[in-house]
Amino acid sequence: DIVMTQSPDSLAVSLGERATINCKSSQSVLYSSNNKNYLAWYQQKPGQPPKLLIYWASSRESGVPDRFSGSGSGTDFTLTISSLQAEDVAVYYCHQHYKTPQSFGQGTKLEIK
Amino acid sequence: QITLKESGPTLVKPTQTLTLTCTFSGFSLTTSGEGVGWIRQPPGKALEWLALIYWDDDKRYSPSLKSRVTITKDTPKKQVVLTMTNMNPVDTATYYCAYRLGLDDPPFHHWGQGTLVTVSS
Repeated sequence: DIVMTQSPDSLAVSLGERATINCKSSQSVLYSSNNKNYLAWYQQKPGQPPKLLIYWASSRESGVPDRFSGSGSGTDFTLTISSLQAEDVAVYYCHQHYKTPQSFGQGTKLEIK
Repeated sequence: QITLKESGPTLVKPTQTLTLTCTFSGFSLTTSGEGVGWIRQPPGKALEWLALIYWDDDKRYSPSLKSRVTITKDTPKKQVVLTMTNMNPVDTATYYCAYRLGLDDPPFHHWGQGTLVTVSS
């Protein structure tokens, strides 16, 4: 099974500052046949289901603000929020959908400093 | 507009079988590339992928739960059903169904609101 490990577990950032969340997979999630990284990022607010932010590691879902961006390839990935807004307080999960069983990171709780 | 809604019992006893239904709209689950999955989340904990069913009735399961979980679909009713046997208190969680479309196995773009299932005697 592919294990997804996020860092840090929690993060406090000032409004307007940059927030960076990392995700490492225990094996590569890059599919060589189509050159796609099977890595997604979700945002989950209390009492709500996860919301897809980023797919294929760096493609932004429709309607997601452009302050959210994803990068990385292979086993190491990053979600960046360029200028933190109050509504970005949430738990963020990375998700590999390359191999069965699909798996998620343990989550990173993002708060306002 | 794509929507999914989970339904089923909120409380089950240990050793009982859980049956959850995901009723969807906005897609058919008969189009190539479509799939519906089940994911759960224990209170305060991370997401756990359980199973996925494709438009062609191909199915994938989490190996750790494969002996206990069955996923089926009823496309005329626009439903996907998850059955989990021998429920245990550690199975207490919010259960989500989610939808994905794409022949290259994309992630889940649409999620239901989830249903909380508590396992207790």
